[in-house]
Amino acid sequence: EVHLVESGGGLVQPGRSLRLSCTASGYTFPDYAMSWFRQAPGKGLEWLGFIRSKGNREATRYAASLRGRFTISRDDPKTIAYLQMNSLKPEDTAFYYCAFDWNDDFYFEWWGQGTLVTVSS
Amino acid sequence: EIVLTQSPATLSLSPGERATLSCRASQSVGTYLGWYQHKPGQAPRLLIYHASHRATGIPARFSGSGSGTDFTLTISSLEPEDFAVYYCQQGSTWPPLTFGGGTKVEIK
Repeated sequence: EVHLVESGGGLVQPGRSLRLSCTASGYTFPDYAMSWFRQAPGKGLEWLGFIRSKGNREATRYAASLRGRFTISRDDPKTIAYLQMNSLKPEDTAFYYCAFDWNDDFYFEWWGQGTLVTVSS
Repeated sequence: EIVLTQSPATLSLSPGERATLSCRASQSVGTYLGWYQHKPGQAPRLLIYHASHRATGIPARFSGSGSGTDFTLTISSLEPEDFAVYYCQQGSTWPPLTFGGGTKVEIK
């Protein structure tokens, strides 16, 4: 069975960096893209970006609102996708989720449980 | 960017009643629209893809319809576990993938 587990969340000061991990199991990780999302308190779901498979040159796309502060990468042997977050702001406080779709059609059947990031001094 | 507007924001209903949720897109997304259920502390759950196709394991009481800019998610008879927040999401034009603001289905 597919299993996605996010980790690395916690309390961080504004302006600092944090790297989240998404550890995947139960499927052939290298063959699929991985996306990241978040949900801020009292807000809806927001797509952050994705990284495609090595076969698709590990192409990445991001939400423009991130202004280049976030970067997604992957380590296929470890079956981990990463979300590197720099210059964090209080408005980045949210639950962060990784998710993927079997058919590369942007319908996400599999999600992790999320990890909470709190940006505060 | 395609903006998805969901209505109503909150739907207060009793178990056994029918729920009708709306999602309107700022421009046509064809049928590239999905619906998700999200409960606090849980992962979002894909219910419907391509506007009207139920995802694996989703009960038949959930159905989706629509195309272009207007879409509907219907829950024919609410079960206690259906009280949650529901989001629509488009995959037609990206980046960015976008979600609606959500409809909360609460117990009346």
